[in-house]
Amino acid sequence: GDSVTQMEGPVTLSEEAFLTINCTYTATGYPSLFWYVQYPGEGLQLLLKATKADDKGSNKGFEATYRKETTSFHLEKGSVQVSDSAVYFCALGQWNNDMRFGAGTRLTVKP
Amino acid sequence: GAVVSQHPSRVICKSGTSVKIECRSLDFQATTMFWYRQFPKQSLMLMATSNEGSKATYEQGVEKDKFLINHASLTLSTLTVTSAHPEDSSFYICSARGGDTEYTEAFFGQGTRLTVV
Repeated sequence: GDSVTQMEGPVTLSEEAFLTINCTYTATGYPSLFWYVQYPGEGLQLLLKATKADDKGSNKGFEATYRKETTSFHLEKGSVQVSDSAVYFCALGQWNNDMRFGAGTRLTVKP
Repeated sequence: GAVVSQHPSRVICKSGTSVKIECRSLDFQATTMFWYRQFPKQSLMLMATSNEGSKATYEQGVEKDKFLINHASLTLSTLTVTSAHPEDSSFYICSARGGDTEYTEAFFGQGTRLTVV
């Protein structure tokens, strides 16, 4: 079945450092890929998405490119801020089926 | 994006009582809703998938009689934790996907922190 493997955390960075969180997937067909962010005590918010190969999703300085050849969707940000501290989930979705989530990566950004 | 409202955000109940959590899609018709449970510092565990007007499909290991799910309309699904016990204390999150949109992402509620004392 479909699955998502996500880089294990926790990740601790200094402010303005470069961030990469790796995500790879296994799926049949042509899934859509997502990154969700969860701030403490809250639900999940969609951060960005890509619906087909070579698409790049971007939002709030974060980017991820749907790479079919490597079955990857790595999350990157050039300069992280303290406010980016959260848990990040990579996810895969097929039309109207449930989402498959990675284990989540906790990011802490220190001033 | 679409909005999913989950209520209540926090609830404390006594052991042996039942608690109902509501999940509403505010501006789209949610043909499918999902209920997740999240343990501290862990990922989301899918509990069940519900389609409007039909019985929910539960994941293996999830007790149907304990976690009652109703999806009576295209905008509302409820999760009732029956005869709650302290081990049911957790963070419960719903999500919804629509049948009339080209997008396939799920929209999430804010989550409900359940504490059973």
